[in-house]
Amino acid sequence: KQEVTQIPAALSVPEGENLVLNCSFTDSAIYNLQWFRQDPGKGLTSLLLIQSSQREQTSGRLNASLDKSSGRSTLYIAASQPGDSATYLCAVFTNDYKLSFGAGTTVTVRA
Amino acid sequence: EAGVVQSPRYKIIEKKQPVAFWCNPISGHNTLYWYRQNLGQGPELLIRYENEEAVDDSQLPKDRFSAERLKGVDSTLKIQPAELGDSAVYLCASKVPWGGGELFFGEGSRLTVL
Repeated sequence: KQEVTQIPAALSVPEGENLVLNCSFTDSAIYNLQWFRQDPGKGLTSLLLIQSSQREQTSGRLNASLDKSSGRSTLYIAASQPGDSATYLCAVFTNDYKLSFGAGTTVTVRA
Repeated sequence: EAGVVQSPRYKIIEKKQPVAFWCNPISGHNTLYWYRQNLGQGPELLIRYENEEAVDDSQLPKDRFSAERLKGVDSTLKIQPAELGDSAVYLCASKVPWGGGELFFGEGSRLTVL
């Protein structure tokens, strides 16, 4: 069974600092990995999707890397803003069409 | 283009009462998921549909939970009777069939069982 871990569970940084969020998974036979953002009381918003053949994906201030062999992905958010405060979840889609989520990292960006 | 639509957004019921949640996926998304999310945790799969077929319902508590997707579009998730431990957010998500396409979520239905 795929296990997805996100460490740390919570992170607080001053505005302007770069954010580094980690995601690890136990089964490297993945189809893709997706990063989501979740605001309190809301659904999940897709941020980036990385296919298993890709090493990274970028969208604006967001960059996600994938190292399938070591079972790791990292989400970088440059020059953080208070509006980046949210919970960030990673989800791994395995070759048997199962999607497994981490518990998320809750980020607070202090103004 | 409309996203995944869920209703109701909030529901408060007494234990042992029934409750139903509705989901309308993105047009053309034949794969539909129902997830349950408890506070501080990631979503957990309840059921996955490919068109009308429930291809993975191994984690659906079938004694009290049921789901249907009669025409391969809208889906309904029902709980009867509800228990205190069912209080959670029920999330619907959709994507293009099979494969590894991007997954899109609705806003969720927050259930409180008293």
